[in-house]
Amino acid sequence: DTAVSQTPKYLVTQMGNDKSIKCEQNLGHDTMYWYKQDSKKFLKIMFSYNNKELIINETVPNRFSPKSPDKAHLNLHINSLELGDSAVYFCASSLSGVGEQYFGPGTRLTVT
Amino acid sequence: ELKVEQNPLFLSMQEGKNYTIYCNYSTTSDRLYWYRQDPGKSLESLFVLLSNGAVKQEGRLMASLDTKARLSTLHITAAVHDLSATYFCAVVPPGTASKLTFGTGTRLQVTL
Repeated sequence: DTAVSQTPKYLVTQMGNDKSIKCEQNLGHDTMYWYKQDSKKFLKIMFSYNNKELIINETVPNRFSPKSPDKAHLNLHINSLELGDSAVYFCASSLSGVGEQYFGPGTRLTVT
Repeated sequence: ELKVEQNPLFLSMQEGKNYTIYCNYSTTSDRLYWYRQDPGKSLESLFVLLSNGAVKQEGRLMASLDTKARLSTLHITAAVHDLSATYFCAVVPPGTASKLTFGTGTRLQVTL
């Protein structure tokens, strides 16, 4: 009964490949987020969806495309992976975009 | 652009000692959060501070907020080894729909 779950936990792939990361929350929240944590532990928001609508879209390469099929799910698809995409990607969720954010376990992406 | 700075970046302290982590931010904010991250793990919410003068305590940790000074502190009392982790503050500027901007993080190491 994990609150915010992500799959996969680890992802190792080669440059140029396309990959997806999935996120699901069972907290009944209506807002979901993607964050990237780089090798220096710096955390930066990438995207946010509220009720399946994109509300935050930071300066992220358009190789990254989020998709929210419903309020409980937010996926991240990455095309043409580059070495610099290697990082830990965290999904989070909150209620009504103003509540406390709950984070998933993270997906460690390594691009070789 | 909102900037959030923490200091120190790294803190090594002995068990039983007290210390304070500082979080400065550059613009007004609706609310401020403190998170804890253990190595290789997700982010765990510690405190949410909503107004000037807010003070919250949990165990050996106490957080406070001074919105006029744009400063939050996380005070550690009588540190124990279990508190070793990285601590992040995060700020939400007004009208930005929960767009968390994270500080640089403070890596705390408590030694025996």
